[in-house]
Amino acid sequence: DAGVIQSPRHEVTEMGQEVTLRCKPISGHNSLFWYRQTMMRGLELLIYFNNNVPIDDSGMPEDRFSAKMPNASFSTLKIQPSEPRDSAVYFCASSPSRTERGETQYFGPGTRLLVL
Amino acid sequence: KNEVEQSPQNLTAQEGEFITINCSYSVGISALHWLQQHPGGGIVSLFMLSSGKKKHGRLIATINIQEKHSSLHITASHPRDSAVYICAVRSLNTPLVFGKGTRLSVIA
Repeated sequence: DAGVIQSPRHEVTEMGQEVTLRCKPISGHNSLFWYRQTMMRGLELLIYFNNNVPIDDSGMPEDRFSAKMPNASFSTLKIQPSEPRDSAVYFCASSPSRTERGETQYFGPGTRLLVL
Repeated sequence: KNEVEQSPQNLTAQEGEFITINCSYSVGISALHWLQQHPGGGIVSLFMLSSGKKKHGRLIATINIQEKHSSLHITASHPRDSAVYICAVRSLNTPLVFGKGTRLSVIA
């Protein structure tokens, strides 16, 4: 099993540019999560999907952030326009079933984003 | 919102020592996770528990629902255990809330 796949692994961009992060969850998993990790705030949940439907996006910082899951095998997190304070590691995770059961989540390797 | 506190924030141990990392939370939960983040950044799920105790190799996780407290123990610690250990909790109909993590360094 390839695990959760994220791309790119590293991204350096200038403020104002659009950034798109990609995630391929583990096949058969029904839930997908986007997290952000910074030194100051630690890990934070941004949004999660269940069966491709966004369930809770209350963690999305502001309108500059958007996430989509067009099908069960692909999700994107987009930042437009990017700002230096968006610099962080963005993790995608998937789990086999609905979050209410508290299933184990499997994390991708993360995308390290630096906005100059 | 659940408040998750971990202690200690940083821990340095000699190889072979028994290690305990603590996690307390403020609101009743349906599940608690212990995660390990390696120096390279990768995150691995160690345990998910809602009651009692779980053991995997040298790692033991316990939870006391009444006291809203969980501990992660490492027996016979080894330098390869050096990592950040993160506690995360879930209540019904809410996603995971994370602690700030405990940075463990095991010295040979």
